[in-house]
Amino acid sequence: EAGVAQSPRYKIIEKRQSVAFWCNPISGHATLYWYQQILGQGPKLLIQFQNNGVVDDSQLPKDRFSAERLKGVDSTLKIQPAKLEDSAVYLCATSQGVGEKLFFGSGTQLSVL
Amino acid sequence: AQTVTQSQPEMSVQEAETVTLSCTYDTSENNYYLFWYKQPPSRQMILVIRQEAYKQQNATENRFSVNFQKAAKSFSLKISDSQLGDTAMYFCAFMKHRQGNLIFGKGTKLSVKP
Repeated sequence: EAGVAQSPRYKIIEKRQSVAFWCNPISGHATLYWYQQILGQGPKLLIQFQNNGVVDDSQLPKDRFSAERLKGVDSTLKIQPAKLEDSAVYLCATSQGVGEKLFFGSGTQLSVL
Repeated sequence: AQTVTQSQPEMSVQEAETVTLSCTYDTSENNYYLFWYKQPPSRQMILVIRQEAYKQQNATENRFSVNFQKAAKSFSLKISDSQLGDTAMYFCAFMKHRQGNLIFGKGTKLSVKP
């Protein structure tokens, strides 16, 4: 079974630039999560999708972050404009349904200079 | 709001010995799940063990076992016969029943020494 695919693996940008991350879930997984993991901390949820609808985006900084999950499959997370404090690993996780086991991708490490 | 606290930023253990990682949590919920995840340098979160709060019996997965004390809101992980491949960050996490979102602690960096 293929796992959760994320790209790119690393990204370095200047502050105020924009960046996008991509996640391809395990086939058939209806629930998709984006987590932000700042160095030295545990992951924190940014947004949760059920199919192509948003379940929880209460911790997403909506002035600069946006996410979409077109057709309920792949998802993209965008930051525009980036700030220094956005430097982190962005993890995508998916599950068959709400409350089911989460499978994580290897994440994208973002450095904002 | 739920919180998860891991009070040990770093731990080390000799190969083949036993180590216990601590975790406490705070919730007013009665129905929930607790997890331990391992994160090696590859960054991918790997599920180590899961405990349902309504089950009194402590979960066990091969060399990994938990001590779940619901009244004390404590959930520690015991790793027996430690192996070099166990070296990683370990995160304790909480999930409210049928919610899906995981709430993580800050993690414990475990080093297994030969």
